[in-house]
Amino acid sequence: DVKVTQSSRYLVKRTGEKVFLECVQDMDHENMFWYRQDPGLGLRLIYFSYDVKMKEKGDIPEGYSVSREKKERFSLILESASTNQTSMYLCASSRTYTEAFFGQGTRLTVV
Amino acid sequence: KNEVEQSPQNLTAQEGEFITINCSYSVGISALHWLQQHPGGGIVSLFMLSSGKKKHGRLIATINIQEKHSSLHITASHPRDSAVYICAVRRNNNDMRFGAGTRLTVKP
Repeated sequence: DVKVTQSSRYLVKRTGEKVFLECVQDMDHENMFWYRQDPGLGLRLIYFSYDVKMKEKGDIPEGYSVSREKKERFSLILESASTNQTSMYLCASSRTYTEAFFGQGTRLTVV
Repeated sequence: KNEVEQSPQNLTAQEGEFITINCSYSVGISALHWLQQHPGGGIVSLFMLSSGKKKHGRLIATINIQEKHSSLHITASHPRDSAVYICAVRRNNNDMRFGAGTRLTVKP
């Protein structure tokens, strides 16, 4: 059974904190993605990675960074959390040109 | 303008009705995905299409590459089909673009 696992379902953090969201996949996929989902805006790509230590900016990378030290793990980092980063964060993985698999999502609230 | 447009935004149907959700896109793509998101956030991939038509149970997805349009049909709808349905296109550089989603409610 394919799996993309995000480390937390719900998180509450304070403004200014450094926040780590972890995503692990067990399918040996080369591509991994981080999205945020906001009402009325759909899913928007923050960063993606097509190989270990490789990363590409998506549409809204400001305020975020990523790390991919191992093929199975893709981390999203909020350097200094702000209230406008309150959102649902979704991780996905895929092989090139094939179906994408999504994690269950992390609902982050920044207070 | 969003690269992926879905319609309708919200849809309420009675159990048993035939449902159609539409997706139009404006970029070159290598594939189109239909995704289903249930309350709580989890997303499941229903179909990946690059041409023609696919069927899985009561779900049918079609794509017209020339017209840059896809439809998702649900036959004999059921309350358990209530979810948000999202159209996503995989662009030729391999990243994905998403529609805003269609919230479907099927009433018993």
